[in-house]
Amino acid sequence: DTAVSQTPKYLVTQMGNDKSIKCEQNLGHDTMYWYKQDSKKFLKIMFSYNNKELIINETVPNRFSPKSPDKAHLNLHINSLELGDSAVYFCASRPSWGQGGNPYNEQFFGPGTRLTVL
Amino acid sequence: SQQGEEDPQALSIQEGENATMNCSYKTSINNLQWYRQNSGRGLVHLILIRSNEREKHSGRLRVTLDTSKKSSSLLITASRAADTASYFCATDPFRGSSNTGKLIFGQGTTLQVKP
Repeated sequence: DTAVSQTPKYLVTQMGNDKSIKCEQNLGHDTMYWYKQDSKKFLKIMFSYNNKELIINETVPNRFSPKSPDKAHLNLHINSLELGDSAVYFCASRPSWGQGGNPYNEQFFGPGTRLTVL
Repeated sequence: SQQGEEDPQALSIQEGENATMNCSYKTSINNLQWYRQNSGRGLVHLILIRSNEREKHSGRLRVTLDTSKKSSSLLITASRAADTASYFCATDPFRGSSNTGKLIFGQGTTLQVKP
């Protein structure tokens, strides 16, 4: 199926650990995003990459480091996890101008990764 | 500060009734989008309305946009139990020639449709 996929779906870990979340899209999109959704469902953008280049970097602690090995993948590595990092993390993608179908910034979301830091 | 703010935060209706959700925002926009999120799932794009449009329809969805009031509404007609979900508005702020695709989401309206 064509989609945005994330692994793992659930991640439970202890404070201080380092963890990674992976995202892959097979939609052929150029641009990918990471969002954080808190317990109140507030969804906030963290990072965006366009063709492996970082284009959005919101005020996010340095403990969060995105990595895009190619335009179909955008992974999120989190060092020294804290209790406040507990949230649902969503990956999303969108096509760029010229890719057809969507010049207006419709985004396609993955199913989310629920991170619980104990 | 948060760009999109939905109202009400929660809405409970009977199947067959109409559901109206409102969204207010603060800055100039290129477009405004509505997304749906089923429990435990990712967001799904529903409809997009451009800044020069005032109303748009898609099936049972009707979206209006009032740029002078910086507000939008989403109307779901003849609601079904399957419409139970959270609904988010997202604004694509105007940034001149730059188009990073950064969307600003509100906190959503949780809609419950009772059978």
